[in-house]
Amino acid sequence: DIQMTQSPSSLSASVGDRVTITCRASQNIGNYLNWYQQKPGKAPKVLIYAASSLQSGVPSRFSGSGSGTDFTLTITSLQPEDFATYYCQQSYSSIRITFGQGTRLEIK
Amino acid sequence: EMQLGESGGGLIQPGGSLRLSCAASEITVSSNYMSWVRQAPGKGLEWVAVIYSGGSTYYVDSVKGRFTISRDNSKNTVYLQMNSLRAEDTAIYYCTRGVGSTTAFDIWGHGTMVTVSS
Repeated sequence: DIQMTQSPSSLSASVGDRVTITCRASQNIGNYLNWYQQKPGKAPKVLIYAASSLQSGVPSRFSGSGSGTDFTLTITSLQPEDFATYYCQQSYSSIRITFGQGTRLEIK
Repeated sequence: EMQLGESGGGLIQPGGSLRLSCAASEITVSSNYMSWVRQAPGKGLEWVAVIYSGGSTYYVDSVKGRFTISRDNSKNTVYLQMNSLRAEDTAIYYCTRGVGSTTAFDIWGHGTMVTVSS
C-alpha cells in the first residue's frame, strides 16, 4: 500500500498567520492527492482535489501544490474557523486509498 | 441537497455481526463510487471498502473476508455487512461518495458509531 506521511503532526499558530502542512507519498502518485479538513464531532470536508484544485465553496486562502511524492497545503491569513485537523489522501490506487495520519492545527 | 445518512451502529460483542446502512438522497448510489471510511476514537481516517458503479468491490486488507459492501439500487442504499467483529473495528463509520479522476470524497454522512466490546 502507498503510505502517506504528514508533517508536522501538530502545530500551533495565531489568527492571521500563514501555515503550511506537508504530505509525502511513499511512491510517485502524480497529482492523485486530496486534502480534507475535519472539525471535532464532524465528518471531513474536502478542501483541495487533484493536488491543487480548490473545491467549490472553499475560501481562496486555502491552496495546494505539489506532484509526484511531495505535496503541501497552505493556509494564508488563518481564521478562527480554520483550527481543525487536516488530512491528505491518495487515490493513485483507487482500490487501496490511504490517508495521512493527520495534522492538528491549534490556536497559539 | 445531496445527502448520505448512516444507521445500524451500536454495541456488539467480539465475534458478532452488524450491518450498517447508508441511505442516499439526491445521489444515485448505483452510478457512483461509494465508500466506507472509518475513524477509531481519537485516531485518523481509514478507508475501509468501495463499491464501484459497475458493482466491483474492494477492501482494506484488515477487513477482507469479514466485511462485505453491497447496495440495493431500489432503495438507493449502500450497506456494510460486518462479521467476526474485533475490538479494533471500534470506530465511527462514515459513508462517502468519491468523485473525479482523483476520487475526492465530496459528500459524507454524519457517521455511525460501532463499539466492539464485551
